[in-house]
Amino acid sequence: DQQVKQNSPSLSVQEGRISILNCDYTNSMFDYFLWYKKYPAEGPTFLISISSIKDKNEDGRFTVFLNKSAKHLSLHIVPSQPGDSAVYFCAARGGSNYKLTFGKGTLLTVNP
Amino acid sequence: GAGVSQSPRYKVTKRGQDVALRCDPISGHVSLYWYRQALGQGPEFLTYFNYEAQQDKSGLPNDRFSAERPEGSISTLTIQRTEQRDSAMYRCASSQTGVTQYFGPGTRLTVL
Repeated sequence: DQQVKQNSPSLSVQEGRISILNCDYTNSMFDYFLWYKKYPAEGPTFLISISSIKDKNEDGRFTVFLNKSAKHLSLHIVPSQPGDSAVYFCAARGGSNYKLTFGKGTLLTVNP
Repeated sequence: GAGVSQSPRYKVTKRGQDVALRCDPISGHVSLYWYRQALGQGPEFLTYFNYEAQQDKSGLPNDRFSAERPEGSISTLTIQRTEQRDSAMYRCASSQTGVTQYFGPGTRLTVL
């Protein structure tokens, strides 16, 4: 039973356009949501997070939107750059042990 | 370096051997987490520590897996009598706030 789902294994966009990565979750007890970016042969790198009491958080080119009623969040990257090409993981924190539950990831390719 | 480090980066062992994987967290980070990541999946929680206390080991697959963090800094994940199904990327993360976790590069374990 996957509590965090990233239904798109891959996404391809043109440089300069917007990239939208989606994530759905089932556990209403999650209190924080995080996005990580991962390049090959490296560990996941923290990108941006959002508390469950907010609906939007912005950091430069990256914005995360949270729709609690739909149990859905999305990461917007605008404008997309070739260096953004990586696997993006959605993660959720919940419960007293603070563990993160991850989705399977979405491979983003930004074409020049 | 200021990040999380893990050693070895690659470990090849024969079935039945014991292995010890090391994690050196970011200095001053109270919480330390171990995850396991299979190919094409997101990291899955194994166990976590606050200081030297193991707070949750619910993700450890069986009693061949154990972890310790005796002085509240470096942690070792030990797998006894390794099996081929233990082959995976083992990731360590540390956190100061309990929200954002910073990951190391991982140890790729291959059991022959």
